[in-house]
Amino acid sequence: DTAVSQTPKYLVTQMGNDKSIKCEQNLGHDTMYWYKQDSKKFLKIMFSYNNKELIINETVPNRFSPKSPDKAHLNLHINSLELGDSAVYFCASTKARVGTEAFFGQGTRLTVV
Amino acid sequence: DAKTTQPNSMESNEEEPVHLPCNHSTISGTDYIHWYRQLPSQGPEYVIHGLTSNVNNRMASLAIAEDRKSSTLILHRATLRDAAVYYCILRGLTGGSNYKLTFGKGTLLTVNP
Repeated sequence: DTAVSQTPKYLVTQMGNDKSIKCEQNLGHDTMYWYKQDSKKFLKIMFSYNNKELIINETVPNRFSPKSPDKAHLNLHINSLELGDSAVYFCASTKARVGTEAFFGQGTRLTVV
Repeated sequence: DAKTTQPNSMESNEEEPVHLPCNHSTISGTDYIHWYRQLPSQGPEYVIHGLTSNVNNRMASLAIAEDRKSSTLILHRATLRDAAVYYCILRGLTGGSNYKLTFGKGTLLTVNP
């Protein structure tokens, strides 16, 4: 049973399209995240949600809109996709307490052509 | 964010111990020291974390300096499957860091057969 699952695993789309990536965790965690890993392999946090509330938005363009319908889900919708959005996107979850571990999904490789 | 400094890369031989260093001279009293690793084409994976005392688990050991300004991740017997990028991260209660893991460049560990 996968702890943090993302769909789809691969996504190829044209510039200007709108796409969504879904994330679900079955760990009972209350904090979820989206990370972006670009071609240089640098992992950068995009958003953090705690109990469905946005906690952190790391200056991400407003074309990116996260949505958390409940504590177990954090979806990422991207409007008007650009070439520079091509990357691997990782979802993660933790308990809010600092001394706890984070679990990451396997990633969604987004390619914008 | 409290920052960490790691060597860009390290090399080891299979079945030998590996000591991965991390400097975090600006660590605050409430910051936990977390280690994650990322195997090729996978999401980051939790390895170990600690606050003040040394920690052991089935994957590794974490040795924390008495002043907490540095720590060392110890893999007791490296295997080829341990080849990955290892990240040392501080997660604490201040500056919103409770709600995010800030990844640096990490250390690329190569394990030679």
